[in-house]
Amino acid sequence: NAGVTQTPKFRVLKTGQSMTLLCAQDMNHEYMYWYRQDPGMGLRLIHYSVGEGTTAKGEVPDGYNVSRLKKQNFLLGLESAAPSQTSVYFCASSFDGVDTFEYVQFFGPGTRLTVL
Amino acid sequence: DAKTTQPPSMDCAEGRAANLPCNHSTISGNEYVYWYRQIHSQGPQYIIHGLKNNETNEMASLIITEDRKSSTLILPHATLRDTAVYYCIVRVARFWMNRDDKIIFGKGTRLHILP
Repeated sequence: NAGVTQTPKFRVLKTGQSMTLLCAQDMNHEYMYWYRQDPGMGLRLIHYSVGEGTTAKGEVPDGYNVSRLKKQNFLLGLESAAPSQTSVYFCASSFDGVDTFEYVQFFGPGTRLTVL
Repeated sequence: DAKTTQPPSMDCAEGRAANLPCNHSTISGNEYVYWYRQIHSQGPQYIIHGLKNNETNEMASLIITEDRKSSTLILPHATLRDTAVYYCIVRVARFWMNRDDKIIFGKGTRLHILP
């Protein structure tokens, strides 16, 4: 299993440009999440999804949109990038099972985004 | 706001036990304590979790006080590869218990292993 993968690994945008970050998981997890991490900071939840076709806002959702058209994929979109969105973006996924271990989140390797 | 309080940094000599404290005085009855670590900007890695009993796995041990207001993660024989930021998180164990639950990672503890 590849686990959680993210595409691309690095990206540089100009202010106002748009882009989509792709997260894919092959563990048949119901839940998926997008976080951002700024230097010296912990992870902050942007949006999450509890199943195919559903999404919800996290702690810092402004400026981002998400879609979960397929269970294995969770897309994060920036419609008009701003320098404040320069960050490292992490995707994660988890089960919702009977065993509490299945609630553990598994993270992808991250995408480094710079907005000039 | 984070539900947990951790020291910003700690040092530990290689080969010794690393004891990382976490305060979670407002933890509720259905919340578990989870520990993750992040090595040099990689994605966070799950370490261990527990409710009220002490837990041990191949990576670490988790000691939770009887009143559940604090816990300690123990890495029994720290190596240089354990240098990382360690995050203590409290949350319900099953997402359906509270679908508005927003995970707060906080800033964690930066653990330096000294050769």
